[in-house]
Amino acid sequence: AQSVTQLDSQVPVFEEAPVELRCNYSSSVSVYLFWYVQYPNQGLQLLLKYLSGSTLVESINGFEAEFNKSQTSFHLRKPSVHISDTAEYFCAVTSYSSASKIIFGSGTRLSIRP
Amino acid sequence: EAGVAQSPRYKIIEKRQSVAFWCNPISGHATLYWYQQILGQGPKLLIQFQNNGVVDDSQLPKDRFSAERLKGVDSTLKIQPAKLEDSAVYLCASSGGYNSPLHFGNGTRLTVT
Repeated sequence: AQSVTQLDSQVPVFEEAPVELRCNYSSSVSVYLFWYVQYPNQGLQLLLKYLSGSTLVESINGFEAEFNKSQTSFHLRKPSVHISDTAEYFCAVTSYSSASKIIFGSGTRLSIRP
Repeated sequence: EAGVAQSPRYKIIEKRQSVAFWCNPISGHATLYWYQQILGQGPKLLIQFQNNGVVDDSQLPKDRFSAERLKGVDSTLKIQPAKLEDSAVYLCASSGGYNSPLHFGNGTRLTVT
């Protein structure tokens, strides 16, 4: 069985500062990893995903995440955040053998201070 | 393309009453999911359909929750009778293939009083 741990329930940062949202997973088999974002009063949407190939994946709005198999992590980073990045971020995992069952972490609320 | 449609958007009921939620996935998406998201927590998978068959319902409280997807398209999730702890947002999602990203609806916010 897989599981996902997001250690930080809230991360406050100042605008234009860098940010890292941590995600660790547990699985006995190879995995696919995702970050989903939920903006205020909106539904969940995919931010980025790791399926195979390059371990560094990027989103269109400047976020990136690196798959680290040895540390079982998939941390999300952005070098300079904007007020519009205020949202809740969810890490999710599925495995090659789980028939697309996707497990979500508990979420990290990113709040940006001007 | 049209997104995942869910209704109603909000629902308030008293405990022991019944309630039903409806979901219409993106056209052509064979896999449909129902998640429960309690305030402050991540989405928890309740049930996963592949076409009209159940793939996983291991976390569905079957004594009170039921779901169906009779024609392999839209789906309904029912709670009967509701308990206070069922207060949550119920999310429907669909995907187009193995390990394809999920597309979520806006959810139904249920309050049980």
